[in-house]
Amino acid sequence: NAGVMQNPRHLVRRRGQEARLRCSPMKGHSHVYWYRQLPEEGLKFMVYLQKENIIDESGMPKERFSAEFPKEGPSILRIQQVVRGDSAAYFCASSPGAYNSPLHFGNGTRLTVT
Amino acid sequence: DQQVKQNSPSLSVQEGRISILNCDYTNSMFDYFLWYKKYPAEGPTFLISISSIKDKNEDGRFTVFLNKSAKHLSLHIVPSQPGDSAVYFCAAKGTGNQFYFGTGTSLTVIP
Repeated sequence: NAGVMQNPRHLVRRRGQEARLRCSPMKGHSHVYWYRQLPEEGLKFMVYLQKENIIDESGMPKERFSAEFPKEGPSILRIQQVVRGDSAAYFCASSPGAYNSPLHFGNGTRLTVT
Repeated sequence: DQQVKQNSPSLSVQEGRISILNCDYTNSMFDYFLWYKKYPAEGPTFLISISSIKDKNEDGRFTVFLNKSAKHLSLHIVPSQPGDSAVYFCAAKGTGNQFYFGTGTSLTVIP
């Protein structure tokens, strides 16, 4: 039973390029969360999605960042025109959405902006 | 606005002794609390959880205690083992299904 799969594990982008991070939730999970961890900091909530819907994007920066979870395929976190401050580890988590069910995390994508 | 706080960035414990990790929260509407363990270069792994209707939940060497009046939860690990050395995050779930995480406590178990 595969866990949450994130790819790529490492992504290097030059300033101004686009970064696309992918997340396939656990089988049977229809809820996806994205978190960001900056160096020496905790996990910061970014966005919560269900299939084809953004439920809560209160943690997303207003510009350059977007997320989707289409009916078919993985969830995508997209960062346009990356800047050095976007360098961080981005974690995806999924849950079945049942009451009081925990999140299950992938191993993250480490984005480095040069 | 940090709604879940872990005030100890690090903790060192001798092997075999008890490790106690603490967590405080501010929102009385939180109804589900969790602990995660994280090794470097890996994602957080779910460890144990507790519903707000309980005050204790135990799973092997791990016990979580919840004090709702103090808005405080703790994780006890006994006996501590070197493999327990990791960063531990507490988390709380609000009514909107959003999970709030603390900043983590780095536990080192000394052999």
